Amino acid sequence: KQEVTQIPAALSVPEGENLVLNCSFTDSAIYNLQWFRQDPGKGLTSLLLIQSSQREQTSGRLNASLDKSSGRSTLYIAASQPGDSATYLCAVDTGNQFYFGTGTSLTVIP
Amino acid sequence: NAGVTQTPKFQVLKTGQSMTLQCAQDMNHNSMYWYRQDPGMGLRLIYYSASEGTTDKGEVPNGYNVSRLNKREFSLRLESAAPSQTSVYFCASSGQFGGYTFGSGTRLTVV
Repeated sequence: KQEVTQIPAALSVPEGENLVLNCSFTDSAIYNLQWFRQDPGKGLTSLLLIQSSQREQTSGRLNASLDKSSGRSTLYIAASQPGDSATYLCAVDTGNQFYFGTGTSLTVIP
Repeated sequence: NAGVTQTPKFQVLKTGQSMTLQCAQDMNHNSMYWYRQDPGMGLRLIYYSASEGTTDKGEVPNGYNVSRLNKREFSLRLESAAPSQTSVYFCASSGQFGGYTFGSGTRLTVV
């Protein structure tokens, strides 16, 4: 069974700092990997989707990388803002279903 | 706006009552999913439907049933609610190019 781990579970940074969130998975046979954002009491909003053949995807201040062979993905957030405060989840698609990590709770301090 | 719509948003049930959570998507996606999210446990798959007319069990199917009514709609039924089913339920869909789109969730409390 695929296992997805996100470390750290919580992160607090001052506004303006660049930061990296980590995601690791145990089985490299994946179709794609997706990063989500979840605000308290809300649903999941898709941030970036990386297909298995891709190495990275970028959207605005966000950049996600994928290294299948090592079972790792990172989400880089540039120039963090208080509005970036949320829980960030990664999910890997094995073809049958997605497996989710338990998320990193990010707080950006003004 | 295109997306996944879930109803209701909130529900309180008494132990033993039944209810159906509704989900509809308008993106012409083939696959639909039901997840539950609990503190410290992350998102766990209850049931999924890879295409119209098919359903399969996920990680935590006990106590639930599903119906893929048509390509757009996928419902989740609790026949006899238990306090252990208190959770936030999310419906999601995925299409040809992969990636999930989630609904906004149903917060269910069983007392």
